[in-house]
Amino acid sequence: DQQVKQNSPSLSVQEGRISILNCDYTNSMFDYFLWYKKYPAEGPTFLISISSIKDKNEDGRFTVFLNKSAKHLSLHIVPSQPGDSAVYFCAASGGSSYKLIFGSGTRLLVRP
Amino acid sequence: NAGVTQTPKFRVLKTGQSMTLLCAQDMNHEYMYWYRQDPGMGLRLIHYSVGEGTTAKGEVPDGYNVSRLKKQNFLLGLESAAPSQTSVYFCASSYHPGGAGTGELFFGEGSRLTVL
Repeated sequence: DQQVKQNSPSLSVQEGRISILNCDYTNSMFDYFLWYKKYPAEGPTFLISISSIKDKNEDGRFTVFLNKSAKHLSLHIVPSQPGDSAVYFCAASGGSSYKLIFGSGTRLLVRP
Repeated sequence: NAGVTQTPKFRVLKTGQSMTLLCAQDMNHEYMYWYRQDPGMGLRLIHYSVGEGTTAKGEVPDGYNVSRLKKQNFLLGLESAAPSQTSVYFCASSYHPGGAGTGELFFGEGSRLTVL
């Protein structure tokens, strides 16, 4: 049973527009959420995170929103750039667990 | 500063062969992890370690063994490789457990393993 789900395997947007990547989770013990970005032939790199005590966190063009009641988070990229084309993973951790649980990823393509 | 280094980068094995993947980190991190990435499955945790001399099972530990004899190294072993273990393997380390706090898991570049 997947505890972290990214239901959209791919997303294509025009350069300059907004990209919205979604993530759902089922475990109510999760209290820390992260987004990672992965380019081909490279390891994932940390992008942005949010604690369950917040509902929004911004870092430049990237904003993560958390809706705890819906167990849903989203990553907004504004404006999108071709260099943002990558696979984005949502991840979650919480409780006494040392584990970071990842979703299956969404491949973002930003068209020039 | 190398960060997290994995060796080898590529390996082809025959069914039943054994091998060891080596992960080395130079950031003095306490926590280290081995993940595997498969199409449509994301990153799944195989084993992890919360300090030198300690290891624990993750989501998909069967068929793998690990050792953390030195703080900077985390080894992943396959005693008898199976085609189902064909995957890309990522090692990661962190200062905080599970990536909490700073949120940073630092990943290596990955090791692509093919089992024929």
